[in-house]
Amino acid sequence: GQQLNQSPQSMFIQEGEDVSMNCTSSSIFNTWLWYKQDPGEGPVLLIALYKAGELTSNGRLTAQFGITRKDSFLNISASIPSDVGIYFCAGRPDQGGSEKLVFGKGTKLTVNP
Amino acid sequence: KAGVTQTPRYLIKTRGQQVTLSCSPISGHRSVSWYQQTPGQGLQFLFEYFSETQRNKGNFPGRFSGRQFSNSRSEMNVSTLELGDSALYLCASSFFYMPDTEAFFGQGTRLTVV
Repeated sequence: GQQLNQSPQSMFIQEGEDVSMNCTSSSIFNTWLWYKQDPGEGPVLLIALYKAGELTSNGRLTAQFGITRKDSFLNISASIPSDVGIYFCAGRPDQGGSEKLVFGKGTKLTVNP
Repeated sequence: KAGVTQTPRYLIKTRGQQVTLSCSPISGHRSVSWYQQTPGQGLQFLFEYFSETQRNKGNFPGRFSGRQFSNSRSEMNVSTLELGDSALYLCASSFFYMPDTEAFFGQGTRLTVV
């Protein structure tokens, strides 16, 4: 089945630092979604991307749909302690049908005050 | 607008038993997907329903089944529970099942099999 490679697997940063994480695929995707999950809770949608090259911001978060349609990145600027959590990328492969969402393994973010 | 509601939040079952989990999607959403999340495997797709029809199915044994009702609410059932079925089960709702749709998750049901 489809696989998404998400990196890095984990990050330890100081409060105030910027963060960058990305997802890559071996095939073309037509949708990229970024989620954040807190322990014991369901993932919360942060940003949705639908077009190659699209750059979208949500507060301190910025995500881009790669021009090749095989990758996406998420940046967090000026991190704060509540940014702690696991960030997942997800996408729908462009195979002409009702393809299910595929998820990356997640990036665990730790922010030291 | 209410979010995705999953019940129950927590469940403890014994090996060999069966369990039914419920998911009520966001009002107006007609697509419901189910995922199993474990620390080692991440989010694994179980199945997706739209208008009471299963549209996609993941690679899980037949012990895992689901259905969707005419009001878009969905249930998933796991029969003959095994210890390895302990996981957080998440459902996500979308307006539609095709591309260019966002998926919103519920808080999940934490299933523990003992």
